[in-house]
Amino acid sequence: QKEVEQNSGPLSVPEGAIASLNCTYSDRGSQSFFWYRQYSGKSPELIMFIYSNGDKEDGRFTAQLNKASQYVSLLIRDSQPSDSATYLCAGPPGFQKLVFGTGTRLLVSP
Amino acid sequence: DAGVIQSPRHEVTEMGQEVTLRCKPISGHNSLFWYRQTMMRGLELLIYFNNNVPIDDSGMPEDRFSAKMPNASFSTLKIQPSEPRDSAVYFCASSLVGGNIQYFGAGTRLSVL
Repeated sequence: QKEVEQNSGPLSVPEGAIASLNCTYSDRGSQSFFWYRQYSGKSPELIMFIYSNGDKEDGRFTAQLNKASQYVSLLIRDSQPSDSATYLCAGPPGFQKLVFGTGTRLLVSP
Repeated sequence: DAGVIQSPRHEVTEMGQEVTLRCKPISGHNSLFWYRQTMMRGLELLIYFNNNVPIDDSGMPEDRFSAKMPNASFSTLKIQPSEPRDSAVYFCASSLVGGNIQYFGAGTRLSVL
């Protein structure tokens, strides 16, 4: 079992809808999680990180962490076509070392 | 402020040749990471350095791969000899020691024929 798992998608949502991206992890000791966005042919770009249980909001993005259930989610409100990308979830199994999920491809249609 | 700089952006080589990928981290960052990304396996950590010292190379696939960081502003990833299965995008990332936020370079797309 991979340490961080994501549905590869694609997840298709219409413009203006809420996109919900999910990630599960196996290491109960993981304390922090990161969401990276990767456009086709480009490098991963950090968009959110979360260290504690609950929600963290930043503009149209909300990260949610549930340590008891071992899942992390990313909600994108008012989705735009420019949000179409692959979203990578990452968690540290140890100090500094990140393990990435394989990513969920999001398609936002106009 | 310049980000992580990688070169070359594209590399096409023949099987058996030596390949050297280069990375310049963000100034002031003292942790450097090398990743490989493929469709099948996603983004995998190969090796990372703190203060120019290799900390974890457990992701290096085999002895054909080696990485060095001779100073705080430069690192290389070398593949010798290269094989077609090494074809991938190789990313370099940097961060502050003690910080988990990693910033990625633009990547090097390697094709081994």
